Amino acid sequence: EDKVVQSPLSLVVHEGDTVTLNCSYEVTNFRSLLWYKQEKKAPTFLFMLTSSGIEKKSGRLSSILDKKELFSILNITATQTGDSAIYLCAVGSYNQGGKLIFGQGTELSVKP
Amino acid sequence: DGGITQSPKYLFRKEGQNVTLSCEQNLNHDAMYWYRQDPGQGLRLIYYSQIVNDFQKGDIAEGYSVSREKKESFPLTVTSAQKNPTAFYLCASSMTTLTEAFFGQGTRLTVV
Repeated sequence: EDKVVQSPLSLVVHEGDTVTLNCSYEVTNFRSLLWYKQEKKAPTFLFMLTSSGIEKKSGRLSSILDKKELFSILNITATQTGDSAIYLCAVGSYNQGGKLIFGQGTELSVKP
Repeated sequence: DGGITQSPKYLFRKEGQNVTLSCEQNLNHDAMYWYRQDPGQGLRLIYYSQIVNDFQKGDIAEGYSVSREKKESFPLTVTSAQKNPTAFYLCASSMTTLTEAFFGQGTRLTVV
């Protein structure tokens, strides 16, 4: 059965800390891995990763995929209170059309 | 502005009643999706549609129905057969099933 597992499930840090969120997956015929940020309601798209070893970066956020070890990490440097959110990892498979399999999410809380 | 609109934001219904959640997009996306989010469980796929007049069941389709008569619209009906309908429902769309999905603001359904 395809699955996506995120860790940790929750994390509390202070402003200025650096955090690493993990996402491991077991999905047949892997297509892509996506990261989303969910603050209150709508998840907002962060990154889509398809190739191993190529870092994607946007400001203080970066992400990389390892297709051999079947995981991805999302790094946030110099965290701010506005980074507090649930971070969702999702994996797409060529087997299943448009279906994305989501992990449980990591709830990040950044304290001032 | 382009985007995905879900309505209503909050919905209360009595047990045994069918209810329809609206999802409209003006992004000219071919693919649309319905997810259900429960605390601690991430997002689970209910139904998805890759193109007009076509849709497929997701992982938890029982007790739900959809239609895709227009490209812009993908309404979800929660029927009385759904045993535990109280949840947060998210609609999403993507250009194709191989590209990132964008989410609406969600509908929180409470059945009493």
